[in-house]
This record gives sequence, structure tokens and C-alpha cells, in this order.
Amino acid sequence: EFQLVESGGGLVQPGGSLRLSCSASGFTFSRYGLHWVRQAPGKGLEYVSAISNDGGITYYADSVKGRFTISRDNSKDTLYLQMSSLRDDDTAIYYCVGDAFDIWGQGTMVTVSS
Amino acid sequence: QSALTQPPSASGSHGQSVTVSCTGTSSDVGAYDFVSWYQQHPGTAPKLILYEVNKRPSGVPARFSGSKSDNTASLTVSGLQAADEADYYCSSYAGNNKYVFGGGTKVTVL
Repeated sequence: EFQLVESGGGLVQPGGSLRLSCSASGFTFSRYGLHWVRQAPGKGLEYVSAISNDGGITYYADSVKGRFTISRDNSKDTLYLQMSSLRDDDTAIYYCVGDAFDIWGQGTMVTVSS
Repeated sequence: QSALTQPPSASGSHGQSVTVSCTGTSSDVGAYDFVSWYQQHPGTAPKLILYEVNKRPSGVPARFSGSKSDNTASLTVSGLQAADEADYYCSSYAGNNKYVFGGGTKVTVL
């Protein structure tokens, strides 16, 4: 069974940092690109970042460019999102999503608040 | 403000049909046949129900169908059931590794 499991969310103060992880199973991780999509409380979906299968190509939404870094470790079947200079409006559930948007993790909640 | 425009709500009677629109631009919906639709029930992750405008993943009923004309894509749910009551989101490829989402539509089954 294809599965993505996020971890690393939590409460962080404005200006702080957090690293999210997404552990994959059930498929050949190194063959596929991956995405991060977030959803603020009561709001819609927002495309955040993406990475190619080998990590050579990345994309960032303007709202996170320069603050977030996406990476992956194909030897550990794990995707990461390093978030820094966090702001209140980064508060959201962060979903790890498969290349074709057909596999979604359960999400991890990030709350930025003082 | 979302990149793609969806109506905030839509409704239909049990057994009838409902159509949800998703309007973008010539740089996203109008440029690519990579429009997808997702269903999200409260407290759960979104689920892909249509991709490439009108293709259904395995296990998604044929009651869900999609179409596209110019810069607007549409999702139609036929034979509405109580379980179809959910939020629905569209997305489109927008070039240069970028994807955009709609603001979501809450579908109510009357």
C-alpha cells in the first residue's frame, strides 16, 4: 500500500524554525517527484513546494521562497521541508503529496504563535 | 486569494446532479489539460477524484466526471449521495513546475 506519513509539526514562535519530514512506503521513492501542499485552518489548499525524483529540480511558491527549503534523502525514503523565519500566516496543516497528487499523507499541523 | 476561482457553495438534491466550475486563465487551465479535482471530507486529507480533466483514478465512481472549455473546467457529480457532501477543490498545472488550486466549493446534498 502506498503511504506517506508526515511528522515534525508543532507550535513555534514567529521567526522560528521547524523541519517537517515525510516518510514514504509501498513504492520506489527514488522514482517520483513529491510536493508539499498546505491548508490554513478553515481555508483552501495552497501549493507550497515541489522536488524532482533526484532532488535536482525544486519549486517554491512566492509566499515561502527564501524561507523554506525542500530536500529529500532517497536512501531513507524521506522528504523534508525546512521552514525558517516562520510567520503567523504559515500556520496550517502541511501535506506531503505524491507526484501525481494521487497519494496524500495525513498532514502535520504547524502553528506559528507567540 | 486563490489562483483559480470556484463558487463557495453548490447544492443538489439526493439522486440529482451538481456541477462545480473552476475558472483560471490562459496560463493555467486554458494552457494545459492537467486539471485535477479533489474531494475533502472534514478532518481528512484531500482525495484525488479526477485528473487530466476527465480521468478517474481506480475506485472513483463513474458518477464523477469532468470537462474543460477554454479557461474553465467543470466537475459534475451525478446521482448525488449523502457521502458526496464534501469540499471540492480543483487544481491546474501552470507551467515551470507550478501548480495552482481553487478556493474550494462546499457541496451540500439536499
